[in-house]
Order: sequence, then C-alpha cells, then structure tokens
Amino acid sequence: SAVISQKPSRDICQRGTSLTIQCQVDSQVTMMFWYRQQPGQSLTLIATANQGSEATYESGFVIDKFPISRPNLTFSTLTVSNMSPEDSSIYLCSVEPASEAFFGQGTRLTVV
Amino acid sequence: GQQLNQSPQSMFIQEGEDVSMNCTSSSIFNTWLWYKQDPGEGPVLLIALYKAGELTSNGRLTAQFGITRKDSFLNISASIPSDVGIYFCAGYVTGGGNKLTFGTGTQLKVEL
Repeated sequence: SAVISQKPSRDICQRGTSLTIQCQVDSQVTMMFWYRQQPGQSLTLIATANQGSEATYESGFVIDKFPISRPNLTFSTLTVSNMSPEDSSIYLCSVEPASEAFFGQGTRLTVV
Repeated sequence: GQQLNQSPQSMFIQEGEDVSMNCTSSSIFNTWLWYKQDPGEGPVLLIALYKAGELTSNGRLTAQFGITRKDSFLNISASIPSDVGIYFCAGYVTGGGNKLTFGTGTQLKVEL
C-alpha cells in the first residue's frame, strides 16, 4: 500500500480567498486523484492528475475553480479558488497503484 | 453518472452482534472495494474483490462480489466498539476507465 500525506489537515478560510492543498506519496505513481466529500456525503471525484499533462476534470468541476498541479510522480496540489461557504468539505487525495485506491487523511476545509 | 446504493443508510449495533450491509449498482462492476472511514480520517481499504462470486475475509470482515457483478455485501462478525464508523463500497465500472465510484455509505453506531 502507498503512504499518502496531505497538508494542511484542516483550515478555516475567509470567503473569496484560495487554499492550496498538498499531497505527497511515498512512491512514484502514474495517476493521482482528488476527491471532495461534502458534509455527511460520499466521495465525489474532482479530477485525475497525470504528471506532464493537464488534469482531467469530472462533470461539474472546472480548472478555474480547482486548478491542479502535478510536477512529478510523487506530488500534486489542488487549489480551491475564490472560496465560498459551499466549498466547505473534506478534500482527499488518492492513488491507485494497482486496482485498489489508497487515500490521504484528507483536508477539512471550512469557509466562513 | 454511475450510482451505487448502499443499505442500510445507518444502523445501530450492540457489541457482539453480526452486521450486514450491501451495495447495489445499475451497472456491471469489475472490481468492488470496501472502505471504512473514521471521523477526521480518509477512507481505509478493508477488502478488495476482483471476481464475480468471490468471497474474501479480513479478520472479522467478510465481503462477497455478487454473481451478477452488480452487487456486493460486507459482513462484520462479533462487532466491537471500534467498528463504529462509516463504511463505503466502491468500484470500478467495466469500461469506465480508472474512475472509482463510491456508494452512499452506511453509518454504524453503537446502541447505548
């Protein structure tokens, strides 16, 4: 299994600001994934991040709102831009080295 | 998009009881995964299933990949207080690429 570290683990942000979440993996992986988990809900895929190419976004998520970087095979960032209270969620990074997805501990974001 | 319906949505357990939950889909899945999420943490993989009819155990947990490939169940035997949490099924749809679809979740609570 892969060990995934996310930073920050939680943050409280003012509306209109942006937050960048970092995800570090202890091994090289081809694909990294970003999920959102709204309060009391299941996980929804935001985008897939491949090294050397632009991220692929799921329906309902756009690059201007959730820009993603993938500078190498062990690291990715997700930025939540121009935040509103509706962005308050847990954001999770995931990798799938085989057919099993492993997750970081998540970033709990509260927008006030 | 794909939907995975989990039932029950929530359940109360008493220590020592066996617990059963299931997950159904409108589409055929080629992999089923079961996760547990504790408060403030990311989902942790419990069991992975790869073949229709497969029955796999992990300690007190047993999961099965349905013959129709559209369902899966998870059983927990002799429950203990630390089993409390939210359980998610997830899977890869045949022909759906690397996108993992999550179920709606089953919240396990301890009955006082």
